[in-house]
Amino acid sequence: GAVVSQHPSRVICKSGTSVKIECRSLDFQATTMFWYRQFPKQSLMLMATSNEGSKATYEQGVEKDKFLINHASLTLSTLTVTSAHPEDSSFYICSAKPLNRSPSYEQYFGPGTRLTVT
Amino acid sequence: DAKTTQPNSMESNEEEPVHLPCNHSTISGTDYIHWYRQLPSQGPEYVIHGLTSNVNNRMASLAIAEDRKSSTLILHRATLRDAAVYYCILRVLSNAGNNRKLIWGLGTSLAVNP
Repeated sequence: GAVVSQHPSRVICKSGTSVKIECRSLDFQATTMFWYRQFPKQSLMLMATSNEGSKATYEQGVEKDKFLINHASLTLSTLTVTSAHPEDSSFYICSAKPLNRSPSYEQYFGPGTRLTVT
Repeated sequence: DAKTTQPNSMESNEEEPVHLPCNHSTISGTDYIHWYRQLPSQGPEYVIHGLTSNVNNRMASLAIAEDRKSSTLILHRATLRDAAVYYCILRVLSNAGNNRKLIWGLGTSLAVNP
């Protein structure tokens, strides 16, 4: 159990377009989902914390108007990169924290989405 | 800000124990120490976590120094499938105080020789 999926796994888009990435918890409900970004050979950087039914909390330096997060249900959160530019090319990873499940501390990570902006 | 420091890389032989060190001298009393590992182009996988006492699970052991300023992840018998980047992470209270978030270090790339 505790599987998190992301779609798409890879996407290439042109500069100026928008891209939506989905994160789904397949066999559990998640009130909280996290979005991370990882550049090559670097660590994961938390972008935002998403709680179901409320606005996401963004980390310092992350533009909320550029990275739109929607967490409309207990199993789905989406990240939309608006007006993407080449510097947004990165590996985007989501994680989900289970609701009413032990252990509650554990985050389950998705396989990641590789975004390339040309 | 809380942060962790790890060696960039380590090497081990198959079937031998591996000790992965981590320094976290700025840790606060409520921060948990977590370890995750990541294979190339995959999402991270939880390994183990602790607060003050040493911890054991089926994957590994976690030894935490008495002053909590360092910890060591112990893989008792390394296998080829253990080759990954191992991240030592602090789980801290978010700025809003209503959630906890993971603060990631740069990780140690572990190579396992057959």
